[in-house]
Amino acid sequence: GQQVMQIPQYQHVQEGEDFTTYCNSSTTLSNIQWYKQRPGGHPVFLIQLVKSGEVKKQKRLTFQFGEAKKNSSLHITATQTTDVGTYFCAVPDNAGNNRKLIWGLGTSLAVNP
Amino acid sequence: KAGVTQTPRYLIKTRGQQVTLSCSPISGHRSVSWYQQTPGQGLQFLFEYFSETQRNKGNFPGRFSGRQFSNSRSEMNVSTLELGDSALYLCASSLAQGVGSPLHFGNGTRLTVT
Repeated sequence: GQQVMQIPQYQHVQEGEDFTTYCNSSTTLSNIQWYKQRPGGHPVFLIQLVKSGEVKKQKRLTFQFGEAKKNSSLHITATQTTDVGTYFCAVPDNAGNNRKLIWGLGTSLAVNP
Repeated sequence: KAGVTQTPRYLIKTRGQQVTLSCSPISGHRSVSWYQQTPGQGLQFLFEYFSETQRNKGNFPGRFSGRQFSNSRSEMNVSTLELGDSALYLCASSLAQGVGSPLHFGNGTRLTVT
C-alpha cells in the first residue's frame, strides 16, 4: 500500500541552527500538506503544495515540493525555541481515490536555547 | 471566529464501556473529520462527515461510529472500549470535503481506558 516516510524521526538542534525534515512518498502526489503540533497541542496547518518543483516561504520556513511530486521538504532557518514541536506531512490516499489523508509519523524538533 | 471545540478534554473509562465525544466545527465549515493519535501509530483517519453523511471511512472496527447533525456538529462513539483505544481523539473541520482543504483541529479529547 501507499507509504509516507518522514525523516528524521527526531532532531535536536542548538538555537540558531538550521533544521530540515523530509517527507517521501511511494507514489506520485497531487498535493501535500504540512502541519505543526506543539507539545500538548493539536496539529496546526502550515501550508499546502500543489505544483511540481514548487517552493513557498513563510518567514524562516521554506517548503519545497519535488519535481517528481513524490517528496517534499520543510527547512527552518536559524531555529528558535518557538519552533519546538512535531512537524507532520499529510498526503492524499491514492488507493482511496484521494479522498482521505495519510499522515507521516512526524519529525520531532527540540531546540536548545 | 471561534475555533474547533471538542468536549470533553479528558475521559477515563473502563474496558467494556462506551464513550461519546463531541465536536463543534468552525462556523461555516461543513466537513468534520475524526482522527486517532497515538505515539506509535501517529494520526490515523477514522471518518469524515459532510452534510450529515459519512463520506469517508478509515480502517477501524465497527465499534467506532459517528454522526453529524444539521448544524455540522459531530459526535463520535466508541463502544465496548478496549485498552488499545486509549489515545488522543482529534476532530478537524474544513470548508470542503476531501483532501484539498486545510484541516483545522480542535484541542482533542484524551481518552484513557483502564
